[in-house]
Amino acid sequence: GENVEQHPSTLSVQEGDSAVIKCTYSDSASNYFPWYKQELGKGPQLIIDIRSNVGEKKDQRIAVTLNKTAKHFSLHITETQPEDSAVYFCAASRSNSGYALNFGKGTSLLVTP
Amino acid sequence: EAQVTQNPRYLITVTGKKLTVTCSQNMNHEYMSWYRQDPGLGLRQIYYSMNVEVTDKGDVPEGYKVSRKEKRNFPLILESPSPNQTSLYFCASGRDGTGEQYFGPGTRLTVT
Repeated sequence: GENVEQHPSTLSVQEGDSAVIKCTYSDSASNYFPWYKQELGKGPQLIIDIRSNVGEKKDQRIAVTLNKTAKHFSLHITETQPEDSAVYFCAASRSNSGYALNFGKGTSLLVTP
Repeated sequence: EAQVTQNPRYLITVTGKKLTVTCSQNMNHEYMSWYRQDPGLGLRQIYYSMNVEVTDKGDVPEGYKVSRKEKRNFPLILESPSPNQTSLYFCASGRDGTGEQYFGPGTRLTVT
């Protein structure tokens, strides 16, 4: 499948600081970009998503921005808390199949008190 | 409670011994999918299904089979498991495959 590159692979921030995770994708026809949070021992859970007709979406402390021209999108977490510590995955829909997602390799976020 | 369930959660088996991992969802979702998660490789799709009797290959289908005889169930079958299929497996479902996917808790499989 098409590639989704995710950076950084690990991120450590202090409680209260902001965290930013960036993804780039190669399929210019991708139109759906979800972000998943995976806590230890659990399955991924959707935290926010954005579609290609929107440039930014916010939900409390979490926001996602999308730049379709540059083919990149980012997750922003403000006022981080220890419970934000988890692995975060970005994903992009595939144009050759409307029913599949290409996932990034994940970012392990650690928020230290 | 809306959920995706998988069984078993943990499985240790030997090379060549056929096994099935079950997946069931209670949300009346059309779309179901299987992923495997390996360190450094993220989530890779194995198979997906858009509806009963409709299945298609994902990125890494070799060595796996699936079936969708009922809307709620989507079992993953390993006819002859090999050690390179040792992994963490997730089942997911979604209303139509173009939006949110709900993941199960995972099945950790070890093939010796």
